[in-house]
Amino acid sequence: DIQMTQSPSSLSASVGDRVTITCRASQTIGTYLNWYQQIPGKAPQLLIYAASSLQSGVPSRFSGSGSGTDFTLTIRSLQPEDSATYYCQQSYYTPTWTFGQGTKVEIK
Amino acid sequence: QVQLQESGPGLVKPSQTLSLTCTVSGGSISSGNYYWSWIRQPAGTGLEWIGRLFTSGSTNYNPSLNRRVTMSVDTSKNQLSLKVTSVTAADTGVYYCARASRAVAGLYYFDLWGQGTLVTVSS
Repeated sequence: DIQMTQSPSSLSASVGDRVTITCRASQTIGTYLNWYQQIPGKAPQLLIYAASSLQSGVPSRFSGSGSGTDFTLTIRSLQPEDSATYYCQQSYYTPTWTFGQGTKVEIK
Repeated sequence: QVQLQESGPGLVKPSQTLSLTCTVSGGSISSGNYYWSWIRQPAGTGLEWIGRLFTSGSTNYNPSLNRRVTMSVDTSKNQLSLKVTSVTAADTGVYYCARASRAVAGLYYFDLWGQGTLVTVSS
């Protein structure tokens, strides 16, 4: 089975900081990688699909990059409303779609 | 716009069957090139993909749950259903239904989610 590993598991940053979250796949997945944001008590929401495509309505401070096994989600200037848990997800290996374990972002 | 709403019992006894329904409103469940999935989240932990169903009725399940899971669709009611048999406390969590849209061949992403429903397995 393919494993998705995110790092760090949690981080604390200040408003205005640049934040980077990494997702590593145990096997190559091309650009078949998506990112989601989950605010506590809410359903996850799509941020980035196909590694780098910004979902409609998502602020441009969010960006994604990578291909193969290593991927990055960047928040260019952290805002208070970005306090959430972020998940990566692969859809390359079917039929099992896999999520990373999540990265919790807190505001200092 | 299209919305998803999960429903079902909030409490299920161990060894029994968990049954949930996802109602799609604002659009037809049969239209478009979508997969429909169930995803669950135990309290305080991450997301686990349970399975997917294409509108043709074909299904794929997470191997970790394969023998206990059944997904189906009722197009006349615009509903998806999920059944998980022989439940234990490990099946406790929030269950989400979600729509998976296609970007390119094989590349799907969950662009629409229900609000989720909490299921507790306890006697």
